[in-house]
Amino acid sequence: AQSVSQHNHHVILSEAASLELGCNYSYGGTVNLFWYVQYPGQHLQLLLKYFSGDPLVKGIKGFEAEFIKSKFSFNLRKPSVQWSDTAEYFCAVYNTNAGKSTFGDGTTLTVKP
Amino acid sequence: EPEVTQTPSHQVTQMGQEVILRCVPISNHLYFYWYRQILGQKVEFLVSFYNNEISEKSEIFDDQFSVERPDGSNFTLKIRSTKLEDSAMYFCASRGPLRAYNEQFFGPGTRLTVL
Repeated sequence: AQSVSQHNHHVILSEAASLELGCNYSYGGTVNLFWYVQYPGQHLQLLLKYFSGDPLVKGIKGFEAEFIKSKFSFNLRKPSVQWSDTAEYFCAVYNTNAGKSTFGDGTTLTVKP
Repeated sequence: EPEVTQTPSHQVTQMGQEVILRCVPISNHLYFYWYRQILGQKVEFLVSFYNNEISEKSEIFDDQFSVERPDGSNFTLKIRSTKLEDSAMYFCASRGPLRAYNEQFFGPGTRLTVL
């Protein structure tokens, strides 16, 4: 069965620090990869996505992610976080054969002002 | 930009009651989904729906649950005889007509509270 692992359960950073959140998935077939953000009390918002092509994808709000196929990874990065980035971040993998998304457990990011 | 909408935003019900959660997918989308997020936990797949039938369902999606596309625009999730553990945020999602475009667009969610 497909699984998605997010290594960091809770990350605490100061403003302007750099961020990297890990995501690994288990499925070896064709996948599409996503990072979502969920601000407190709000719904899921798409940060960025990877379908094919350049493995370094840029998303909204200065986020980017790199797909490394050999490592089954899709880590999320931001060079300088802001207090407003405090939220829950979910990595998700869409399995084209199964026709559904599998989400990671999520990483809670707290940015201290 | 077209978006998925869900109603109500918050539903409170008594244990044992039936609830219907409603979703309006993006108009030209053909694939529809329900996901659930129990408070503090990850988002879990419940069911996918295509061509008026369930195409995939998780072990969570037992006989208590059913889905329907009653009128060509709405996509509903019915939970019969709700239990306390059904309290969660329920997200609807839809996907476009072409298989190559596998991005699911999520709605804002319905928070279900079972008392």
